[in-house]
Amino acid sequence: DARVTQTPRHKVTEMGQEVTMRCQPILGHNTVFWYRQTMMQGLELLAYFRNRAPLDDSGMPKDRFSAEMPDATLATLKIQPSEPRDSAVYFCASGLFIQGGRGETQYFGPGTRLLVL
Amino acid sequence: SQQGEEDPQALSIQEGENATMNCSYKTSINNLQWYRQNSGRGLVHLILIRSNEREKHSGRLRVTLDTSKKSSSLLITASRAADTASYFCATGKSGYSTLTFGKGTMLLVSP
Repeated sequence: DARVTQTPRHKVTEMGQEVTMRCQPILGHNTVFWYRQTMMQGLELLAYFRNRAPLDDSGMPKDRFSAEMPDATLATLKIQPSEPRDSAVYFCASGLFIQGGRGETQYFGPGTRLLVL
Repeated sequence: SQQGEEDPQALSIQEGENATMNCSYKTSINNLQWYRQNSGRGLVHLILIRSNEREKHSGRLRVTLDTSKKSSSLLITASRAADTASYFCATGKSGYSTLTFGKGTMLLVSP
């Protein structure tokens, strides 16, 4: 049963600390997405990768957020330094993009619930 | 800016009743998808309808798409308490992987 996994599931930290969230996409998927979900803003796309290369990170605050894919089985999202307004649920999703296709399904992980005090 | 906007924001029904949720969007799309999110969980894909399709069925789900009105509806027939969740529409554009999600409709199905 292939699924996207994320760690940690919950994280409580103090303002100013570094936070690293990890995601293992579904094997064979070539696209990985990072989203943030809050009550006020809903689901926002932060960044996404195709074949490990970043395609768009315009949704991320550049000064404190960074996203990488060290290899095909691991995507990371880092916040340094963290702030209380970063408190949210962060989701990773993966999908298989086919050139000329008519839309791809995204498979979401369970999320990392982050609280910055 | 949000592409998809769901309506209503919240819906409360009894088990066995049908639930209808609507989604409106602003620009041209390649496909529209519906996802479900149970409390504290990730989103789960329900159904995808392409811009050249008008209706699609999957089990108790029926999705319609009216590109002239830039709107879609999701119908859940014979609802169950287990259908209680938030439902999101998401729109995709041609050649792009990204989806733009609405803020969702919260559905409560009471036994």
